[in-house]
Amino acid sequence: NAGVMQNPRHLVRRRGQEARLRCSPMKGHSHVYWYRQLPEEGLKFMVYLQKENIIDESGMPKERFSAEFPKEGPSILRIQQVVRGDSAAYFCASSPRRGDDNEQFFGPGTRLTVL
Amino acid sequence: SQQGEEDPQALSIQEGENATMNCSYKTSINNLQWYRQNSGRGLVHLILIRSNEREKHSGRLRVTLDTSKKSSSLLITASRAADTASYFCATVFSGNTPLVFGKGTRLSVIA
Repeated sequence: NAGVMQNPRHLVRRRGQEARLRCSPMKGHSHVYWYRQLPEEGLKFMVYLQKENIIDESGMPKERFSAEFPKEGPSILRIQQVVRGDSAAYFCASSPRRGDDNEQFFGPGTRLTVL
Repeated sequence: SQQGEEDPQALSIQEGENATMNCSYKTSINNLQWYRQNSGRGLVHLILIRSNEREKHSGRLRVTLDTSKKSSSLLITASRAADTASYFCATVFSGNTPLVFGKGTRLSVIA
């Protein structure tokens, strides 16, 4: 059973370009979470999705950021018109169908560098 | 904010010694989880302790939870150089709500 997959592992963009980060959850997991980590910081929640639905996007900036988790294929975090402050590590986590524990399994992350 | 806070921010010990890290949080929780992150890597789940549990063990790890003080501690016994990493606590409010992470403790174990 493969773990959570994220790609690319490293992404370099110039200011103003778009960044697309992909996450494939563990098999059987229908809940996906995206987190952002700045250097020397903990992870900050961005968005929580189930298949085809955004459940909670309270941690995601209102502009330039969007996320989706289509019926088929990976979850996508899209950042439009990137700025230097978007440089960070972006982690995806998945969890199985509803359970009180909510143990999440993390991918290796995508490290975004904006030049 | 429900954010947990780890203490200390950084800890340096000799191999073989025990390492203790603490975590405090602000609101009622369903459970608290500890994760490890090696430099430049993703997070690895270490242990989960539910709000009705007081202590839990997993190998060389011992976690305690005091809900009255809203605090938890992670003890790593007989530390090894390979334990060098950042350790984060994360709280879960309920169900499939997001994890709320602290800033972490950076542990260095010197051989």
